[in-house]
Parts: sequence; C-alpha cells; structure tokens
Amino acid sequence: GQNIDQPTEMTATEGAIVQINCTYQTSGFNGLFWYQQHAGEAPTFLSYNVLDGLEEKGRFSSFLSRSKGYSYLLLKELQMKDSASYLCAVQDSNYQLIWGAGTKLIIKP
Amino acid sequence: IAGITQAPTSQILAAGRRMTLRCTQDMRHNAMYWYRQDLGLGLRLIHYSNTAGTTGKGEVPDGYSVSRANTDDFPLTLASAVPSQTSVYFCASSPIAGAQETQYFGPGTRLLVL
Repeated sequence: GQNIDQPTEMTATEGAIVQINCTYQTSGFNGLFWYQQHAGEAPTFLSYNVLDGLEEKGRFSSFLSRSKGYSYLLLKELQMKDSASYLCAVQDSNYQLIWGAGTKLIIKP
Repeated sequence: IAGITQAPTSQILAAGRRMTLRCTQDMRHNAMYWYRQDLGLGLRLIHYSNTAGTTGKGEVPDGYSVSRANTDDFPLTLASAVPSQTSVYFCASSPIAGAQETQYFGPGTRLLVL
C-alpha cells in the first residue's frame, strides 16, 4: 500500500530551528512536495524535491533521500507566523499526490 | 478574480439531500482536483480531471460525482448526503497533470451533514 508518515505535532521556540521529517512508501515516485496550511485556510506550496539533496529557499529548506524514502523540511529563525501544519505529499506513478496527515507546528515565544 | 474560488464557504445539510459544491479557477489550468480533509487524515483525492471533458476517480469517489464541461469550472455533487461526508472540501488545480506540477488550492468548503 501507499503510506506517508510524519509526526503529528511538534513544538519549537521562536528564533530556533526545527526539522520536520517525512517517510514514504509509494507506488512510483515523481517528486515530493511540502505545503504549509494555517488553521482554517487552504494549503499553500512551499517546496518540491525530485532529486536527492537539499533545496534551500530563504528560511525554509527541504531535503530528499530517495533510497531511504525520506525527506525533511527545515525551518530556520522561527517566527510566530510559522505556527501552522506542514503537509508532506508524494507524487506517485500516476502523477497523483499522496498526502501525509500533516505535522502541526506550535511556536512558543 | 485571481486563483480558485469555492462556494459555499460553509454549509449545514440534512442527510439525504443533494448538494453541489462549486469550484471555479481563472488560471486556465488544465487539471483540477477535489479533495476532502478530515482530522487526523491526509488530504484524500475524490475525483480529478486532467482536461476539460474528462474526469477520473480518486481514492474515495463513492457518493460523489463531478463534471468538467469547460476549463474553468469543476463542480462536485453529493447525490444523497450522509453524515460520513462531513468534512472540509478543497478544490485544487495545476497547469497540467504531470510530474513536478504544483497544485494550487481554493479556500475550501466546510460541510456538516446531520
């Protein structure tokens, strides 16, 4: 079957760094997406990885290891506005997105 | 407008009633999708359309139907609502249905079926 695992909830301190992990088992792989979703709002695109390695985009970076079925999202210099859920999604062989349940990130002052 | 709009924003519906959730995009995207989001579960694909005139079933299609008469509109119909269809429904679109294509989401419709 297809499975995406990520922690349910994480807590971090304003100004710190947090790493959100995602492991996956899917039928085929055409890339991995990270989305951010604030409470009561729609998901918005953060990053995309298809090759192994680190993609950096400002305070956010995303890493992929295809051989390990593993990705992480790294958030630096945390701000209160980063409090949100972070969704990991894998694009399978049919180009459909398979979604994890999301990680709720709580930022404390 | 710019992006994707959904209507209604929220709805309370009696079980057994028919309901159509509307979705319109103005980005001329070929591919459109309907998801439901439930607490503790990931987004689950209900139906999709790779281009106007074609539709396909996703992971959880039972009890739902869609049509794609033109590029912009992708309505989702619940023929006879049941309480298990209580959820938040998101419509999304992407330029094409292919690798690396980012999906853009509408604001969602919150549906409560009693």
